[in-house]
Amino acid sequence: RKEVEQDPGPFNVPEGATVAFNCTYSNSASQSFFWYRQDCRKEPKLLMSVYSSGNEDGRFTAQLNRASQYISLLIRDSKLSDSATYLCVVSNSGYSTLTFGKGTMLLVSP
Amino acid sequence: NAGVTQTPKFQVLKTGQSMTLQCAQDMNHEYMSWYRQDPGMGLRLIHYSVGAGITDQGEVPNGYNVSRSTTEDFPLRLLSAAPSQTSVYFCASRHPSDRRAFFGQGTRLTVV
Repeated sequence: RKEVEQDPGPFNVPEGATVAFNCTYSNSASQSFFWYRQDCRKEPKLLMSVYSSGNEDGRFTAQLNRASQYISLLIRDSKLSDSATYLCVVSNSGYSTLTFGKGTMLLVSP
Repeated sequence: NAGVTQTPKFQVLKTGQSMTLQCAQDMNHEYMSWYRQDPGMGLRLIHYSVGAGITDQGEVPNGYNVSRSTTEDFPLRLLSAAPSQTSVYFCASRHPSDRRAFFGQGTRLTVV
């Protein structure tokens, strides 16, 4: 079983739509959780960290369920500029390495 | 602030050639890592380092060597390039107390 699993998509949504991505991880000892964004042929960039209490950053909301080993990302009021691949990422207990999911592609159309 | 700098950005090698991908960071980060990204595979960890003089293997280390003689630099060596090493390579760094990882712009390597 892959350590971090995501639906590859693509998710095709119109501008203004709400879209949700899910991710599951297999290592119960994972300590930290993140969503990264990667634009085509560019390097990944941190979108937001994910906390057990849930956290929000503008139109983006992330949730973590440790019991189910499940992470989610909700994007409200989608913009054309949100089109990208969203990577679910977990770190090991020593925080020294990151494990990436394969990513979920989002395409926002006018 | 340059962040993480990778060189070269593009490279074509012949099978059997060796080369070194360079990675340098100016943020005094202790943790540095090399990943490769292939279509449909996501980013996979090749080697990583938690400080100068300390390196360890990741998920896909075969065919690659690393060393960490300084905090700033973490070069990745391909010993004898193979077509299977055609990929995009990313170097990343982070401070132990910071959740954020910073990535270089990547090196696109083709082995023919």
